[in-house]
Amino acid sequence: KQEVTQIPAALSVPEGENLVLNCSFTDSAIYNLQWFRQDPGKGLTSLLLIQSSQREQTSGRLNASLDKSSGRSTLYIAASQPGDSATYLCAVRQDRDDKIIFGKGTRLHILP
Amino acid sequence: NAGVTQTPKFQVLKTGQSMTLQCAQDMNHEYMSWYRQDPGMGLRLIHYSVGAGITDQGEVPNGYNVSRSTTEDFPLRLLSAAPSQTSVYFCASSYRGGNSPLHFGNGTRLTVT
Repeated sequence: KQEVTQIPAALSVPEGENLVLNCSFTDSAIYNLQWFRQDPGKGLTSLLLIQSSQREQTSGRLNASLDKSSGRSTLYIAASQPGDSATYLCAVRQDRDDKIIFGKGTRLHILP
Repeated sequence: NAGVTQTPKFQVLKTGQSMTLQCAQDMNHEYMSWYRQDPGMGLRLIHYSVGAGITDQGEVPNGYNVSRSTTEDFPLRLLSAAPSQTSVYFCASSYRGGNSPLHFGNGTRLTVT
Protein backbone atom coordinates (compact mmCIF):
# COMPACT_ATOMS: atom_id res chain seq x y z
CA LYS A 1 0.00 0.00 0.00
CA GLN A 2 1.37 3.40 -1.02
CA GLU A 3 2.20 5.70 1.87
CA VAL A 4 3.12 9.33 1.34
CA THR A 5 4.81 11.17 4.18
CA GLN A 6 5.54 14.87 4.50
CA ILE A 7 8.05 16.28 6.93
CA PRO A 8 7.84 18.57 8.78
CA ALA A 9 4.13 18.83 9.57
CA ALA A 10 4.53 22.55 10.30
CA LEU A 11 7.25 25.11 9.71
CA SER A 12 7.74 28.76 10.61
CA VAL A 13 10.55 30.77 9.02
CA PRO A 14 11.40 34.48 8.76
CA GLU A 15 10.65 36.27 5.52
CA GLY A 16 13.44 36.12 2.97
CA GLU A 17 14.78 32.72 3.91
CA ASN A 18 15.09 29.83 1.50
CA LEU A 19 13.37 26.65 2.65
CA VAL A 20 12.86 23.01 1.73
CA LEU A 21 9.77 20.87 2.18
CA ASN A 22 10.10 17.11 2.03
CA CYS A 23 7.90 14.35 0.63
CA SER A 24 8.61 10.62 0.66
CA PHE A 25 6.69 7.70 -0.82
CA THR A 26 6.98 3.95 -0.37
CA ASP A 27 6.10 2.59 -3.84
CA SER A 28 8.23 3.98 -6.67
CA ALA A 29 5.94 2.68 -9.45
CA ILE A 30 4.50 6.12 -10.19
CA TYR A 31 3.55 8.18 -13.24
CA ASN A 32 4.25 11.49 -11.57
CA LEU A 33 4.46 13.50 -8.38
CA GLN A 34 2.62 16.77 -7.87
CA TRP A 35 2.98 19.59 -5.38
CA PHE A 36 -0.10 21.59 -4.39
CA ARG A 37 -0.81 24.65 -2.33
CA GLN A 38 -3.91 25.05 -0.17
CA ASP A 39 -4.94 28.30 1.52
CA PRO A 40 -7.20 28.08 4.60
CA GLY A 41 -10.77 27.22 3.68
CA LYS A 42 -9.93 26.93 -0.01
CA GLY A 43 -9.37 24.24 -2.61
CA LEU A 44 -6.02 22.98 -3.89
CA THR A 45 -3.94 24.66 -6.57
CA SER A 46 -1.37 22.68 -8.54
CA LEU A 47 2.13 24.19 -8.27
CA LEU A 48 4.43 21.73 -10.04
CA LEU A 49 4.18 18.31 -11.64
CA ILE A 50 7.24 16.10 -12.14
CA GLN A 51 6.89 13.11 -14.43
CA SER A 52 8.60 9.90 -13.35
CA SER A 53 11.26 10.32 -16.05
CA GLN A 54 12.17 13.84 -14.90
CA ARG A 55 14.48 14.98 -12.10
CA GLU A 56 13.13 18.46 -11.43
CA GLN A 57 10.72 21.21 -12.40
CA THR A 58 10.91 24.93 -11.80
CA SER A 59 8.31 27.67 -11.66
CA GLY A 60 9.43 31.11 -10.52
CA ARG A 61 10.80 30.84 -6.97
CA LEU A 62 9.73 27.20 -6.70
CA ASN A 63 11.85 24.20 -7.61
CA ALA A 64 10.72 20.62 -7.13
CA SER A 65 13.00 17.62 -7.41
CA LEU A 66 12.24 13.93 -7.70
CA ASP A 67 14.41 10.94 -6.84
CA LYS A 68 12.11 8.11 -7.83
CA SER A 69 14.44 5.28 -6.89
CA SER A 70 14.75 6.50 -3.31
CA GLY A 71 11.11 7.58 -3.07
CA ARG A 72 11.79 11.22 -2.29
CA SER A 73 10.84 14.66 -3.52
CA THR A 74 11.67 18.13 -2.25
CA LEU A 75 10.02 21.48 -2.83
CA TYR A 76 12.48 24.36 -2.59
CA ILE A 77 11.07 27.85 -2.04
CA ALA A 78 13.53 30.69 -2.59
CA ALA A 79 13.35 34.08 -0.89
CA SER A 80 10.17 33.27 1.04
CA GLN A 81 7.41 35.89 1.37
CA PRO A 82 4.44 36.20 3.76
CA GLY A 83 2.16 35.37 0.80
CA ASP A 84 3.77 31.92 0.66
CA SER A 85 2.07 31.05 3.95
CA ALA A 86 -0.21 28.08 3.20
CA THR A 87 -0.35 24.31 3.45
CA TYR A 88 1.73 22.47 0.86
CA LEU A 89 0.74 18.95 -0.16
CA CYS A 90 2.44 16.38 -2.36
CA ALA A 91 0.69 13.55 -4.19
CA VAL A 92 1.86 10.58 -6.25
CA ARG A 93 0.00 9.02 -9.18
CA GLN A 94 0.46 5.25 -9.18
CA ASP A 95 1.10 3.70 -12.59
CA ARG A 96 -0.57 0.35 -11.85
CA ASP A 97 -4.05 1.70 -11.02
CA ASP A 98 -4.00 5.49 -11.59
CA LYS A 99 -4.76 6.21 -7.93
CA ILE A 100 -3.48 9.58 -6.72
CA ILE A 101 -2.40 9.40 -3.07
CA PHE A 102 -1.71 12.47 -0.95
CA GLY A 103 0.53 13.20 1.98
CA LYS A 104 -0.87 15.03 5.00
CA GLY A 105 0.81 18.30 4.09
CA THR A 106 3.23 20.80 5.61
CA ARG A 107 1.70 23.93 7.13
CA LEU A 108 4.07 26.81 6.31
CA HIS A 109 4.07 30.17 8.09
CA ILE A 110 6.36 32.94 6.84
CA LEU A 111 7.02 35.51 9.54
CA PRO A 112 7.07 39.15 8.32
CA ASN B 1 -13.98 27.93 -18.65
CA ALA B 2 -15.69 26.68 -15.47
CA GLY B 3 -13.21 23.87 -14.68
CA VAL B 4 -14.43 21.57 -11.88
CA THR B 5 -17.76 22.59 -10.35
CA GLN B 6 -19.02 21.15 -7.07
CA THR B 7 -22.47 21.64 -5.56
CA PRO B 8 -23.60 22.36 -2.93
CA LYS B 9 -20.92 24.40 -1.13
CA PHE B 10 -22.38 23.64 2.31
CA GLN B 11 -24.78 20.96 3.54
CA VAL B 12 -26.14 19.88 6.92
CA LEU B 13 -27.68 16.41 7.22
CA LYS B 14 -29.24 14.45 10.01
CA THR B 15 -27.92 10.97 10.77
CA GLY B 16 -29.50 8.45 8.43
CA GLN B 17 -30.39 10.88 5.66
CA SER B 18 -29.08 10.36 2.15
CA MET B 19 -27.79 12.89 -0.33
CA THR B 20 -25.74 13.31 -3.48
CA LEU B 21 -22.77 15.62 -3.89
CA GLN B 22 -22.51 16.80 -7.46
CA CYS B 23 -19.30 17.20 -9.48
CA ALA B 24 -19.02 18.31 -13.09
CA GLN B 25 -16.04 19.19 -15.27
CA ASP B 26 -15.94 20.78 -18.71
CA MET B 27 -12.37 19.88 -19.68
CA ASN B 28 -13.16 16.47 -21.20
CA HIS B 29 -11.02 14.78 -18.54
CA GLU B 30 -11.15 11.01 -18.43
CA TYR B 31 -10.07 10.80 -14.78
CA MET B 32 -12.28 12.00 -11.92
CA SER B 33 -12.00 11.42 -8.21
CA TRP B 34 -13.48 12.23 -4.82
CA TYR B 35 -11.47 13.01 -1.68
CA ARG B 36 -12.39 13.86 1.87
CA GLN B 37 -10.25 16.15 3.99
CA ASP B 38 -10.29 15.97 7.76
CA PRO B 39 -8.07 17.88 10.20
CA GLY B 40 -4.71 16.16 10.58
CA MET B 41 -5.60 13.45 8.04
CA GLY B 42 -4.77 15.11 4.74
CA LEU B 43 -6.78 14.18 1.65
CA ARG B 44 -8.01 10.61 1.48
CA LEU B 45 -9.26 9.07 -1.75
CA ILE B 46 -12.86 7.80 -1.60
CA HIS B 47 -13.61 6.64 -5.17
CA TYR B 48 -12.22 7.38 -8.58
CA SER B 49 -13.00 6.79 -12.26
CA VAL B 50 -10.74 6.50 -15.30
CA GLY B 51 -13.57 6.92 -17.80
CA ALA B 52 -17.31 6.74 -18.37
CA GLY B 53 -18.72 3.46 -17.08
CA ILE B 54 -15.64 2.68 -14.95
CA THR B 55 -15.32 3.30 -11.21
CA ASP B 56 -13.00 1.95 -8.53
CA GLN B 57 -12.54 2.20 -4.79
CA GLY B 58 -10.00 4.40 -3.10
CA GLU B 59 -8.66 4.37 0.45
CA VAL B 60 -11.93 5.06 2.33
CA PRO B 61 -14.90 3.91 0.16
CA ASN B 62 -17.27 2.58 2.83
CA GLY B 63 -20.57 4.46 3.10
CA TYR B 64 -20.21 6.09 -0.33
CA ASN B 65 -21.36 5.16 -3.83
CA VAL B 66 -20.40 6.62 -7.18
CA SER B 67 -21.34 6.21 -10.83
CA ARG B 68 -19.91 7.62 -14.05
CA SER B 69 -22.55 7.61 -16.76
CA THR B 70 -21.00 10.55 -18.65
CA THR B 71 -17.48 11.94 -19.03
CA GLU B 72 -18.54 15.24 -17.46
CA ASP B 73 -20.27 14.13 -14.24
CA PHE B 74 -19.16 12.12 -11.22
CA PRO B 75 -21.71 12.29 -8.37
CA LEU B 76 -20.93 10.99 -4.88
CA ARG B 77 -23.82 9.44 -2.95
CA LEU B 78 -24.05 9.10 0.80
CA LEU B 79 -26.54 6.32 1.40
CA SER B 80 -27.15 6.77 5.14
CA ALA B 81 -25.19 9.68 6.58
CA ALA B 82 -23.22 9.21 9.79
CA PRO B 83 -21.47 11.82 11.99
CA SER B 84 -18.14 10.25 10.94
CA GLN B 85 -18.83 11.52 7.43
CA THR B 86 -18.66 15.13 8.59
CA SER B 87 -15.83 16.47 6.43
CA VAL B 88 -14.87 18.66 3.51
CA TYR B 89 -15.27 16.83 0.21
CA PHE B 90 -13.24 17.65 -2.89
CA CYS B 91 -13.78 16.51 -6.45
CA ALA B 92 -10.82 16.51 -8.85
CA SER B 93 -10.20 15.66 -12.49
CA SER B 94 -7.39 15.25 -15.01
CA TYR B 95 -6.46 13.61 -18.25
CA ARG B 96 -4.95 10.17 -17.83
CA GLY B 97 -1.21 9.71 -18.07
CA GLY B 98 1.91 11.17 -16.56
CA ASN B 99 1.82 14.78 -17.70
CA SER B 100 -1.63 15.88 -16.59
CA PRO B 101 -2.07 17.92 -13.40
CA LEU B 102 -5.04 17.32 -11.13
CA HIS B 103 -7.65 20.10 -11.10
CA PHE B 104 -9.78 20.58 -7.98
CA GLY B 105 -13.22 21.92 -7.28
CA ASN B 106 -13.80 24.36 -4.41
CA GLY B 107 -15.13 21.71 -2.05
CA THR B 108 -18.34 20.86 -0.21
CA ARG B 109 -18.44 21.26 3.57
CA LEU B 110 -20.73 18.58 4.98
CA THR B 111 -21.93 18.39 8.57
CA VAL B 112 -23.86 15.35 9.82
CA THR B 113 -25.64 15.83 13.16
